[in-house]
Amino acid sequence: QSVLTQPPSASGTPGQRVTISCSGSSSNIGSNTVNWYQQLPGTAPKLLIYSNNQRPSGVPDRFSGSKSGTSASLAISGLQSEDEADYYCAAWDDSLNGLYVFGTGTKVTVL
Amino acid sequence: EVQLVQSGAEVKKPGESLKISCKGSGYSFTSYWIGWVRQMPGKGLEWMGIIYPGDSDTRYSPSFQGQVTISADKSISTAYLQWSSLKASDTAMYYCARRNGDYAEGVNWFDPWGQGTLVTVSS
Repeated sequence: QSVLTQPPSASGTPGQRVTISCSGSSSNIGSNTVNWYQQLPGTAPKLLIYSNNQRPSGVPDRFSGSKSGTSASLAISGLQSEDEADYYCAAWDDSLNGLYVFGTGTKVTVL
Repeated sequence: EVQLVQSGAEVKKPGESLKISCKGSGYSFTSYWIGWVRQMPGKGLEWMGIIYPGDSDTRYSPSFQGQVTISADKSISTAYLQWSSLKASDTAMYYCARRNGDYAEGVNWFDPWGQGTLVTVSS
């Protein structure tokens, strides 16, 4: 069902920078803002980035988001062990009377 | 504090019915859409649908249309997800979340999320 494509995995050592891509289409990322969610093991998803590049209160500035055309990316700089989690991009899709679509998810491992 | 609290884990048999809940607090429940998301064991997030408690306007993902029913009771600030006949393939964690943003401008995000309700369907 996922219409947003992410790499299945990404990894880095503590302190490194990791980037996750998210590819969509004109009806979703191309027309609407992108959000990113972090899901720590055994917990509910948590909003990490909204409106392409905005951080909710409490989210460290190590996390940043960007969007260009029909693609988006999430960057984690200064990777920390507690960043080991699943990350999902998401956007509203204007097709089919509107629905929300998630990315396929990326598992980030801290080596 | 804005909060969504979901009902507890359920264990059901195939063919049984089920209704799980999501209670909002700390905000005007009738002014925000509530969405439902499925996560099957070891898998990613899947969008199921949303409801506007103010007037019960409901939208479903094509994948879930006819498979579940989303409803809300604004008098008790609670949204529901229900099944009339469960299948083993309905075994999953289900999350509710509040929609935010300027929808007309294409700005949507979901926050906060409920803690999740685990539904297990097994004979």
